Amino acid sequence: DAGITQSPRHKVTETGTPVTLRCHQTENHRYMYWYRQDPGHGLRLIHYSYGVKDTDKGEVSDGYSVSRSKTEDFLLTLESATSSQTSVYFCAISEPPGASKEQFFGPGTRLTVL
Amino acid sequence: GENVEQHPSTLSVQEGDSAVIKCTYSDSASNYFPWYKQELGKRPQLIIDIRSNVGEKKDQRIAVTLNKTAKHFSLHITETQPEDSAVYFCAASISQGAQKLVFGQGTRLTINP
Repeated sequence: DAGITQSPRHKVTETGTPVTLRCHQTENHRYMYWYRQDPGHGLRLIHYSYGVKDTDKGEVSDGYSVSRSKTEDFLLTLESATSSQTSVYFCAISEPPGASKEQFFGPGTRLTVL
Repeated sequence: GENVEQHPSTLSVQEGDSAVIKCTYSDSASNYFPWYKQELGKRPQLIIDIRSNVGEKKDQRIAVTLNKTAKHFSLHITETQPEDSAVYFCAASISQGAQKLVFGQGTRLTINP
């Protein structure tokens, strides 16, 4: 597996509390992504980063913010968690086209919002 | 934006038989189509991918076909084995820098011994 870790791996929190998930890579890949996975929806892109301090929205970005202050770290923040954000969150990394196209996924974080 | 539809949602086949999973996409600009396998409780892992300038690609028992005109692509698994049991996802993206994958809903494949 590519060198991607996510922390925490499991989290239970209450509605209205802030939550930050961390993705850490040791591959020096340029692009990083956050997806959420819900039954019946596959994986859906939340936000992605194309470099340090360079981020953009995905298809389900409402209620989420991200930051990337170092190449190796990509943080996903739920400013005020809601029950609809209960999901499994996957981080992924990739290189630019021309290199390998493969997008590698982290082990996932299971988040439960009560 | 891009929309990817995947069928069937569940598929059960006898060990040794073939399995076919189909996906359609909406954006004709999409040019990269990966397939991921996800075992229970694990991360998705790439099993095969195809680019829009290729019609078919094969890797041992796995093959993918692409019909750009009809905007659909399929995964074929031959001589299925119990370890092929998993959830399979197709995806599509326009590969320009960031690879913003749009995934299908997934197919749960069960191989019966």
